Amino acid sequence: GAGVSQSPRYKVAKRGQDVALRCDPISGHVSLFWYQQALGQGPEFLTYFQNEAQLDKSGLPSDRFFAERPEGSVSTLKIQRTQQEDSAVYLCASSLVVRGRSYEQYFGPGTRLTVT
Amino acid sequence: QKEVEQNSGPLSVPEGAIASLNCTYSDRGSQSFFWYRQYSGKSPELIMSIYSNGDKEDGRFTAQLNKASQYVSLLIRDSQPSDSATYLCAVKTSYDKVIFGPGTSLSVIP
Repeated sequence: GAGVSQSPRYKVAKRGQDVALRCDPISGHVSLFWYQQALGQGPEFLTYFQNEAQLDKSGLPSDRFFAERPEGSVSTLKIQRTQQEDSAVYLCASSLVVRGRSYEQYFGPGTRLTVT
Repeated sequence: QKEVEQNSGPLSVPEGAIASLNCTYSDRGSQSFFWYRQYSGKSPELIMSIYSNGDKEDGRFTAQLNKASQYVSLLIRDSQPSDSATYLCAVKTSYDKVIFGPGTSLSVIP
């Protein structure tokens, strides 16, 4: 079946603009995760969902970042009033949950955000 | 102390040698451990998962886990130039969050 998809793949935003990044997980995957990856670094956890419930948002760097998954499938990460330090690759991953336990994560191709 | 640490790279090995990648983690309650490979400009790709102490082998890859020492490693036998990539260690913590290490860059020299 299809893997995790993300759109857009590339986004250039002027400082102060709002952006919305979309993630479409693997069908049937209950858990969905967002990560931010700066060049040369490992992915940094932002937030995660089980179905539509956002169980942890401790990694969101500021209140300009907001994520939602209203129907428990597609998720959107929104960044308001973008700043240059928001420039990074935003990765989405999904995983199965079996008896309350989530397993391996599978990543989408990422969205490269550049704020000018 | 960072939650997941990896030995700093870059690590260079000759073709055909064994590459050894190491990772330590801080949360003693962690139960699930993963190794991902990431090529430049691409997203992470799952190589191995390990949940129990001991070794787990898959082709040329062997993951080793020692929960008492809070240590997980990845061995790559018969290293090939196509194995040149960044290897990310990921740990699912007791509060159900997956934390990644900074990655180790591996270069296999032909």
